[in-house]
Amino acid sequence: DAGVIQSPRHEVTEMGQEVTLRCKPISGHDYLFWYRQTMMRGLELLIYFNNNVPIDDSGMPEDRFSAKMPNASFSTLKIQPSEPRDSAVYFCASSLGEGEGEKLFFGSGTQLSVL
Amino acid sequence: ELKVEQNPLFLSMQEGKNYTIYCNYSTTSDRLYWYRQDPGKSLESLFVLLSNGAVKQEGRLMASLDTKARLSTLHITAAVHDLSATYFCAVDSGSRLTFGEGTQLTVNP
Repeated sequence: DAGVIQSPRHEVTEMGQEVTLRCKPISGHDYLFWYRQTMMRGLELLIYFNNNVPIDDSGMPEDRFSAKMPNASFSTLKIQPSEPRDSAVYFCASSLGEGEGEKLFFGSGTQLSVL
Repeated sequence: ELKVEQNPLFLSMQEGKNYTIYCNYSTTSDRLYWYRQDPGKSLESLFVLLSNGAVKQEGRLMASLDTKARLSTLHITAAVHDLSATYFCAVDSGSRLTFGEGTQLTVNP
């Protein structure tokens, strides 16, 4: 398996624009997580899905952020409109969700810069 | 709210020396994970600790878990430059992980 695949690797956009980040989890993994990493706040869980259903979105900063998982092999995180304070590295991760399988496998991340 | 605290946050050590990174957490959990992150890279799983007293070793790294003390340690033995990275602990609180702030380790020749 190629691991968790995220795209794009880097995104530079202007304030007010819509940004869509994409993630393909490892095949067979039931859980998918979106994390944001910044120097100030470290790694923060934004939202996670189980079997394509959002379970906990309490970490989503505000209504400008939305996430979907239309099927088991694809998820998106959208920011509309984007703001400079959204600049961060966004990681997608997936896991099997049971016992030793709860280990998270992270994608390479998307470095987002909002100017 | 679960809080996970690591110390130290920054660690500079010489090759060949030993040191321990500590991870304290605030609520009951018996699952704890250690991850490594190289600069500009993703997170790589190092250890999964699933019960009180669990100890795991890989090369020069050894991790342990004391659920009663709510403490995990990551011990580095005879450090080498290749171990330079940021190390995160993460605590499971019901299908979601809460990460510590990370410990930035630099091993100097």
